[in-house]
Amino acid sequence: QKEVEQNSGPLSVPEGAIASLNCTYSDRGSQSFFWYRQYSGKSPELIMFIYSNGDKEDGRFTAQLNKASQYVSLLIRDSQPSDSATYLCAVADQTGANNLFFGTGTRLTVIP
Amino acid sequence: DGGITQSPKYLFRKEGQNVTLSCEQNLNHDAMYWYRQDPGQGLRLIYYSQIVNDFQKGDIAEGYSVSREKKESFPLTVTSAQKNPTAFYLCASNIGGLGNQPQHFGDGTRLSIL
Repeated sequence: QKEVEQNSGPLSVPEGAIASLNCTYSDRGSQSFFWYRQYSGKSPELIMFIYSNGDKEDGRFTAQLNKASQYVSLLIRDSQPSDSATYLCAVADQTGANNLFFGTGTRLTVIP
Repeated sequence: DGGITQSPKYLFRKEGQNVTLSCEQNLNHDAMYWYRQDPGQGLRLIYYSQIVNDFQKGDIAEGYSVSREKKESFPLTVTSAQKNPTAFYLCASNIGGLGNQPQHFGDGTRLSIL
């Protein structure tokens, strides 16, 4: 069973601060990584994906990938109360089945 | 608008009853997935289908069944053999192929036992 680990939180940050969400994975051969945001009672929404080592920026979001350390992170700059949600890390299965393995999520609260 | 439609939004199951959750997509995606989410847990894969008329068991397939007779549709039946069916059920799809395509989700169905 491939494992994806996230700190369950809750993580609280003040409005305007940087929120840092972390994820580690067990399968060294993994190539594709995804971050989803899930508001309470709602379905997950894709916010970022990253395939290559380094940083990928999209607006206030930056995904960081370090395959050698088997570590992927999500930074949220200028955090807003609307960013308060659970953030799910997902890692793609490399066996060809195109499945995703999900972490249990980190709950983020942005305090106004 | 293109998207994934799940119905119903809420569903109640009586003891010994089979219930079917609907999932329809108009994104022309080849691959479709069913997940179960319990409070405080991540998403667990029930079944997936990479192509019409073919599907595979995921990690927690026992007590569930699926069909894929049309590209657009991937219904999930929760059978009476599933003794703890209360959960949030999510359907997802992607274009399939290589393992680097993001999955997109429907709005989910909440299933409870009466």
